[in-house]
Amino acid sequence: DTAVSQTPKYLVTQMGNDKSIKCEQNLGHDTMYWYKQDSKKFLKIMFSYNNKELIINETVPNRFSPKSPDKAHLNLHINSLELGDSAVYFCASSPHLRENIQYFGAGTRLSVL
Amino acid sequence: KQEVTQIPAALSVPEGENLVLNCSFTDSAIYNLQWFRQDPGKGLTSLLLIQSSQREQTSGRLNASLDKSSGRSTLYIAASQPGDSATYLCAVRGSGTYKYIFGTGTRLKVLA
Repeated sequence: DTAVSQTPKYLVTQMGNDKSIKCEQNLGHDTMYWYKQDSKKFLKIMFSYNNKELIINETVPNRFSPKSPDKAHLNLHINSLELGDSAVYFCASSPHLRENIQYFGAGTRLSVL
Repeated sequence: KQEVTQIPAALSVPEGENLVLNCSFTDSAIYNLQWFRQDPGKGLTSLLLIQSSQREQTSGRLNASLDKSSGRSTLYIAASQPGDSATYLCAVRGSGTYKYIFGTGTRLKVLA
């Protein structure tokens, strides 16, 4: 039973396309996150939702739009993909905002050609 | 603006050695600090979380210390094993914020 699962694991696409990455957690957590890990392995927060409410929105191009249909799911939609979007995207969850030991998914490796 | 640095960037040690990984941060107003492990092609696994009021946390062969005033944390690994080979990341959550700032990681290789 995977606690935080994200799909797909790999995504290869052309510049200009629109793509989505899905994330689901079965831990009953209130808070979910999206992180981006670049080619130098630097990990940076993009978004966070708490009980479906957006609470962290870093300086991310508005081509990136998170959607949380319920507190167990946080999906990431990316419009008009660019070469610089190539990275590994990680979803994570934590019990709630105050106690935020984070549980990570295995990552989605996005390659934009 | 919080900056988190980890030294060394890479470390290779023989099995059985005790070792210390370092993490430094520029803003001492932190809420807590986490140490993570990342295996190649995998997500991160939280190892230890230290609240700002704590000095250390222990889990098995791992011990993490926190010196907030000097902006430092160390992760001590006792009796290292080849299975400890991974990248270790520290992440700092500032007071009054919900987000973590991550260090660049230390890539550890334990040789059998």
